[in-house]
Amino acid sequence: DTEVTQTPKHLVMGMTNKKSLKCEQHMGHRAMYWYKQKAKKPPELMFVYSYEKLSINESVPSRFSPECPNSSLLNLHLHALQPEDSALYLCASRIAGTVQETQYFGPGTRLLVL
Amino acid sequence: QKEVEQNSGPLSVPEGAIASLNCTYSDRVSQSFFWYRQYSGKSPELIMSIYSNGDKEDGRFTAQLNKASQYVSLLIRDSQPSDSATYLCAGTGANSKLTFGKGITLSVRP
Repeated sequence: DTEVTQTPKHLVMGMTNKKSLKCEQHMGHRAMYWYKQKAKKPPELMFVYSYEKLSINESVPSRFSPECPNSSLLNLHLHALQPEDSALYLCASRIAGTVQETQYFGPGTRLLVL
Repeated sequence: QKEVEQNSGPLSVPEGAIASLNCTYSDRVSQSFFWYRQYSGKSPELIMSIYSNGDKEDGRFTAQLNKASQYVSLLIRDSQPSDSATYLCAGTGANSKLTFGKGITLSVRP
């Protein structure tokens, strides 16, 4: 089973709201990723967690705050977002053994910031 | 040179034809290569992965890797309307970071 789940599927929030996106996998993968995807663009890497430690932050604004409470769960906390942050947010995971491993993507959360 | 480059497209083929999708890459993403399919509004889904020079076949899909030319391609035989989607080429380097091309939209005409 190669399933990554994400909740919620859709989210509408105002610029003063605080919300969180959740990602979960039970495949024993130890690397988890957050991507942002705008329409007609490829996914853009935001954060990488490896063995529950933040290993890559692609210079993402601090209004996005990732958290990895355990090896199965990844959160993205959102605060004071801007309308241009509206996008599809994708979570992905992989085993974290070799560079040949596939990243498996979750279904995404469609975020609209008003 | 961008790390992963794909033809801009879009690509349109008739049903039953072979669709050929191409991608070139730089030295920094030379470890492993992946083709993902993405339907509109959905997340990327892995179609093929390839690590070694040569061809790899899976059903109607064949991935080809030529490391000397830094070229990777995806052939879709007997194209079906359900193959209409955006195809993303991606590669990983030594840091395991996945780098995507900009994607190409394929349309299969019935």
